[in-house]
Amino acid sequence: GAVVSQHPSWVICKSGTSVKIECRSLDFQATTMFWYRQFPKQSLMLMATSNEGSKATYEQGVEKDKFLINHASLTLSTLTVTSAHPEDSSFYICSATTTQGGGTYNEQFFGPGTRLTVL
Amino acid sequence: QQQVKQSPQSLIVQKGGISIINCAYENTAFDYFPWYQQFPGKGPALLIAIRPDVSEKKEGRFTISFNKSAKQFSLHIMDSQPGDSATYFCAAIQGGKLIFGQGTELSVKP
Repeated sequence: GAVVSQHPSWVICKSGTSVKIECRSLDFQATTMFWYRQFPKQSLMLMATSNEGSKATYEQGVEKDKFLINHASLTLSTLTVTSAHPEDSSFYICSATTTQGGGTYNEQFFGPGTRLTVL
Repeated sequence: QQQVKQSPQSLIVQKGGISIINCAYENTAFDYFPWYQQFPGKGPALLIAIRPDVSEKKEGRFTISFNKSAKQFSLHIMDSQPGDSATYFCAAIQGGKLIFGQGTELSVKP
């Protein structure tokens, strides 16, 4: 259980185009989803937190107009990189959590990631 | 400012040896400390986690040692195997948000 998928697993696009990445919780309802980016040989950096039906909360330094997040349902969140540029090339990873398990910590279940390359 | 500092950056261990990765933090508001394992091109997966009111937690070959007064915690991998070769991240949680350490690339030589 607790499987999170991402689509696509990799994408190559031209500079100036927009790219949409989907994150789905397959066997549970995700009250909260998180988006991270990871550069090669570096750690995961939180970009934004999204709750179903409400606007995402972006971390400091993350351009909300560039990285559009939609959490339309309890099983789907999307990240759209608008007007992508080569510096946006990175590994984007989502995670999902649910309050259904109870306890003081709701484990984040991570997706397999999406490799974005902008030419 | 890096809120969770992790060392070493890379580690080479012989098969059967003990791998030790250390982390330190400053923020006393952190209330949960998980460790993640990440293979190349994959998302991280939870390995083991500990609460700050516990000094040690063991699951199979993996043990977390936690020193609250020193604000330090470490991961010990006993009887390390080549299949353990991966990048390991310590993390801390505050308000539901994960703050990751810089990562340790572990290589276990046969």
